[in-house]
Amino acid sequence: TQLLEQSPQFLSIQEGENLTVYCNSSSVFSSLQWYRQEPGEGPVLLVTVVTGGEVKKLKRLTFQFGDARKDSSLHITAAQPGDTGLYLCAGVTQGGSEKLVFGKGTKLTVNP
Amino acid sequence: NAGVTQTPKFRILKIGQSMTLQCTQDMNHNYMYWYRQDPGMGLKLIYYSVGAGITDKGEVPNGYNVSRSTTEDFPLRLELAAPSQTSVYFCASTNSRGILTDTQYFGPGTRLTVL
Repeated sequence: TQLLEQSPQFLSIQEGENLTVYCNSSSVFSSLQWYRQEPGEGPVLLVTVVTGGEVKKLKRLTFQFGDARKDSSLHITAAQPGDTGLYLCAGVTQGGSEKLVFGKGTKLTVNP
Repeated sequence: NAGVTQTPKFRILKIGQSMTLQCTQDMNHNYMYWYRQDPGMGLKLIYYSVGAGITDKGEVPNGYNVSRSTTEDFPLRLELAAPSQTSVYFCASTNSRGILTDTQYFGPGTRLTVL
């Protein structure tokens, strides 16, 4: 069974601070996705990283895929209260039908 | 487009009761998925379908059944509800090229409690 470990599980910071969320596995994935989930709603895809070492930027969010395609990180610069939510990483399994393996998520609270 | 819709939004069942969670997508997606999300846990795949008439088990299929008679609909059936099935259930869909190349769209979820 492929597992994704996310850390930290909870993060509470002040507006304007920077933060990094980590997603680690002992397994190799075809690609890795990051989702953001608001209370009472389904996850919404933020980004997909495909190539080992790939870095993608989405405004104040920077996503990185590890060289070995086993880990990823999400860095938020100058966090804002609107960034509050549950951030989930999900690895796309290799071979056969593509399926997602989700981490447990990081619950981020940005205080004004 | 409404995207992925799920009904009901909330449901309370007694142990041993049955119910069907409905999922419909209007994006003509071939791939559809059912996940459950327990508190403090990530989403776990229950069943998935790569097209009408084709379904397969995911990571946690026990206690559930699915069918896919049309492209649009992918209902999830609980035959004998158990407290361990208390969870939030999400349906998702993606285009025919699969997750790697296409966005997976999630419904708003069904919150199920089994007492």
